[in-house]
Amino acid sequence: SQQGEEDPQALSIQEGENATMNCSYKTSINNLQWYRQNSGRGLVHLILIRSNEREKHSGRLRVTLDTSKKSSSLLITASRAADTASYFCATPGTNAGNMLTFGGGTRLMVKP
Amino acid sequence: DTGVSQDPRHKITKRGQNVTFRCDPISEHNRLYWYRQTLGQGPEFLTYFQNEAQLEKSRLLSDRFSAERPKGSFSTLEIQRTEQGDSAMYLCASSDGHRGYTFGSGTRLTVV
Repeated sequence: SQQGEEDPQALSIQEGENATMNCSYKTSINNLQWYRQNSGRGLVHLILIRSNEREKHSGRLRVTLDTSKKSSSLLITASRAADTASYFCATPGTNAGNMLTFGGGTRLMVKP
Repeated sequence: DTGVSQDPRHKITKRGQNVTFRCDPISEHNRLYWYRQTLGQGPEFLTYFQNEAQLEKSRLLSDRFSAERPKGSFSTLEIQRTEQGDSAMYLCASSDGHRGYTFGSGTRLTVV
C-alpha cells in the first residue's frame, strides 16, 4: 500500500490558471517531497519541505504542509503547457535507508 | 557527471528469458534505489543499496529478482524467467541522503 495519496487523480486546466494538488499521508514524517514525471520519463525532484516548515516556495511552486492533518498541497501558479505531467508526493520511511514511498500521482494537463 | 543513467531505455523480451538492467548513479551519491512503476501508478520500492551493501529489499522482490552493486558504483538488476506481470518501468535513483532523489530515465520492460 502507498503512504501518500494525491487528490485529484487528474486535473485539466487552461494555460495561465493555477493548479492545486493535494497529498495525504498516514504516518509521522520528517519531510515530504514532491516530484514531477513527464510521460515515459523518470521523476524529477521539485521541492522538499521539512516537518517543522509550514510553507515553501520555489519559483512558481508553493508547497504547504500541515502535520496535524497529515496533508500537503502543491500549487503551481500561472501554469504553462510545459507543466503538463504527473505530480507525486513522497514521504521517507523511518528505517536506515529512508526509502521514499510515493502516492499514486495527479495527472495534470495544461491546455494552451 | 550528468545525472543518473540507465541502460537500456527499452527492452522487449520473451516470457521465460532473463534480462539485466544497468544503473550508473551520480558518483558522489552513496545511496542507490530501484523502483518499479506500472502505468498510472506511483513508483514502488524494490531495493536499496548503501555503497555496495544491499540493506533493504521489498517483498515485491521475488526470488527471480536479484540486484547487485559490486563496487559501490553502478548497479545491476536482473530478472530471471520473466513473466508478463514483470512488464513495467524500472527506475533507478541515487541520493546523498540529505536531499531528494535523482532519478534516471528508466528502463521500460515489455514481456511478450
